[in-house]
Amino acid sequence: AQKVTQAQTEISVVEKEDVTLDCVYETRDTTYYLFWYKQPPSGELVFLIRRNSFDEQNEISGRYSWNFQKSTSSFNFTITASQVVDSAVYFCALSEVYSGGGADGLTFGKGTHLIIQP
Amino acid sequence: DTGVSQNPRHKITKRGQNVTFRCDPISEHNRLYWYRQTLGQGPEFLTYFQNEAQLEKSRLLSDRFSAERPKGSFSTLEIQRTEQGDSAMYLCASRYQVGTDTQYFGPGTRLTVL
Repeated sequence: AQKVTQAQTEISVVEKEDVTLDCVYETRDTTYYLFWYKQPPSGELVFLIRRNSFDEQNEISGRYSWNFQKSTSSFNFTITASQVVDSAVYFCALSEVYSGGGADGLTFGKGTHLIIQP
Repeated sequence: DTGVSQNPRHKITKRGQNVTFRCDPISEHNRLYWYRQTLGQGPEFLTYFQNEAQLEKSRLLSDRFSAERPKGSFSTLEIQRTEQGDSAMYLCASRYQVGTDTQYFGPGTRLTVL
């Protein structure tokens, strides 16, 4: 069975600080996808990044960066120079790849509520 | 707006009533998913469609829940004889079958059962 653990329930930092959100996953599959989504107070889940299990390159997009380490089954997310607009709940998610290709039902963690104080 | 849309956005009902939600996916996305999210939790997968075929159902989808996608476009999720435990946000997502594997979510329907 798949499982995603986000141990940090809530993180509060002051604006401009760097913050890292942790994600640890469990799966028996050798091929899978990992995702991060952002859920602002409005409630809609916003896609941030997808990473497949064969690609362990770290990725940077503006102030966001992701560190995928297969050896520790972790897919951590760092926000550099945080801003108040980054305040939201962030979810890490996992899905396996079926023989037909592509990812299907996502398994989500419980989310980390990130509070950026001005 | 070409994103996933869901209606209604909010629904308040009394226990025992039936409710139906609608999801319109992104145009040409042939896979459509339903999730349920309770307070303080991550979304939980309920079911998904490829075109009009319902291919997978979670054990969370009790007999009181039924989903349809009759023409392979919009989908409906019906809950019969609602219970207070059904109170949650119901999220819909869609994606292409192949190529991009990312699911894009709608704004959700928040159900409150009194």
